[in-house]
Amino acid sequence: AQSVTQLDSQVPVFEEAPVELRCNYSSSVSVYLFWYVQYPNQGLQLLLKYLSGSTLVKGINGFEAEFNKSQTSFHLRKPSVHISDTAEYFCAVSPNDYKLSFGAGTTVTVRA
Amino acid sequence: DTEVTQTPKHLVMGMTNKKSLKCEQHMGHRAMYWYKQKAKKPPELMFVYSYEKLSINESVPSRFSPECPNSSLLNLHLHALQPEDSALYLCASSHRTGDNQETQYFGPGTRLLVL
Repeated sequence: AQSVTQLDSQVPVFEEAPVELRCNYSSSVSVYLFWYVQYPNQGLQLLLKYLSGSTLVKGINGFEAEFNKSQTSFHLRKPSVHISDTAEYFCAVSPNDYKLSFGAGTTVTVRA
Repeated sequence: DTEVTQTPKHLVMGMTNKKSLKCEQHMGHRAMYWYKQKAKKPPELMFVYSYEKLSINESVPSRFSPECPNSSLLNLHLHALQPEDSALYLCASSHRTGDNQETQYFGPGTRLLVL
């Protein structure tokens, strides 16, 4: 079984400041890692994913994440946020099947 | 193109009504999913169809009935729902990449209110 812990439930941040959203996971098997974003009143959009290879993954909208196998972490970062980045962010893991295990989510609120 | 469409966007129904949610994708994905999402919570998996056959049913009450008429369409038939079934219902589809991994793409959801 897999589990995902998003260490921050809410992250307030000022516009143009950097942001980091923390995600730790546990699994008895190798997993694939994902970050999804959900803007208000919308569905989930894939930001980025880690399958294999380079541990630094670049995604859409200037986001990147770093996979750390020894710390079982997959933290998401953006060097400079915009008001439009206000959203709910979900970290998720999946073994080699159809099931995604989601974290509880992190609410990012960007203030001017 | 990674678009999954869902209709309707909003639905209000009484506990005795019968309604259906519709999901469509034209990406050639062979797996399709229904999720339920309550406010401020992550999505919860309900059903998975793989190659048009029901692959996973996460012990969902029988008042929810999925249907996959073809590889592009997924329906969720609703009957005798309860107010606690009010939620955002998300559809997703996925394809298997060369390393045997499924990446799921989500639709915008149908916001359901049961009165």
